[in-house]
Amino acid sequence: QKEVEQNSGPLSVPEGAIASLNCTYSDRGSQSFFWYRQYSGKSPELIMSIYSNGDKEDGRFTAQLNKASQYVSLLIRDSQPSDSATYLCAVRRPSSNDYKLSFGAGTTVTVRA
Amino acid sequence: ETGVTQTPRHLVMGMTNKKSLKCEQHLGHNAMYWYKQSAKKPLELMFVYNFKEQTENNSVPSRFSPECPNSSHLFLHLHTLQPEDSALYLCASSQGLQGARRTRTEAFFGQGTRLTVV
Repeated sequence: QKEVEQNSGPLSVPEGAIASLNCTYSDRGSQSFFWYRQYSGKSPELIMSIYSNGDKEDGRFTAQLNKASQYVSLLIRDSQPSDSATYLCAVRRPSSNDYKLSFGAGTTVTVRA
Repeated sequence: ETGVTQTPRHLVMGMTNKKSLKCEQHLGHNAMYWYKQSAKKPLELMFVYNFKEQTENNSVPSRFSPECPNSSHLFLHLHTLQPEDSALYLCASSQGLQGARRTRTEAFFGQGTRLTVV
């Protein structure tokens, strides 16, 4: 079982719509959860962090965490062409020495103008 | 600009060469990471240094050798690489992994080094 799983996409949404991205993780001991955005040819950029169950909103982005079901999601409201990128889910989970940061393979989002 | 700088941005090397990747962070962090990103695969954690001590070596082949002389600098020494080692190598940093905050530390990435082994 993969540590962090995401649908690879591509996820195509029209401009102005809501893009919904999902991520599941295998380790119940995971403590914190992050969403990164990665444009083609660029490095990952942190856009959201969430640590507690529930929703966290930041501008057009909303992260949702459900530890009981072991999933975390990201909603992008009013999607813009500039949101076209690969979104990486990252989970900090216990490892032998500390808490390692593990990544999913990413979901590619394309926003159609 | 994330405050994490990697050099070089691009590197082409032969299988018999020795080269080094450099990472420098200006964020006052105490933990630094090397990740490998290959096409269509998740980011793979290679090494973690926490307060200059290596705390994670994710079964990385010995042809990759990390060095962390201080909390601001991280190197990845490369020798006798294989073509399948071609990838984007990413450095990241975060606050030191200690105490109650260690599970909530956010990691910030450098621009990466695109490595091609020929």
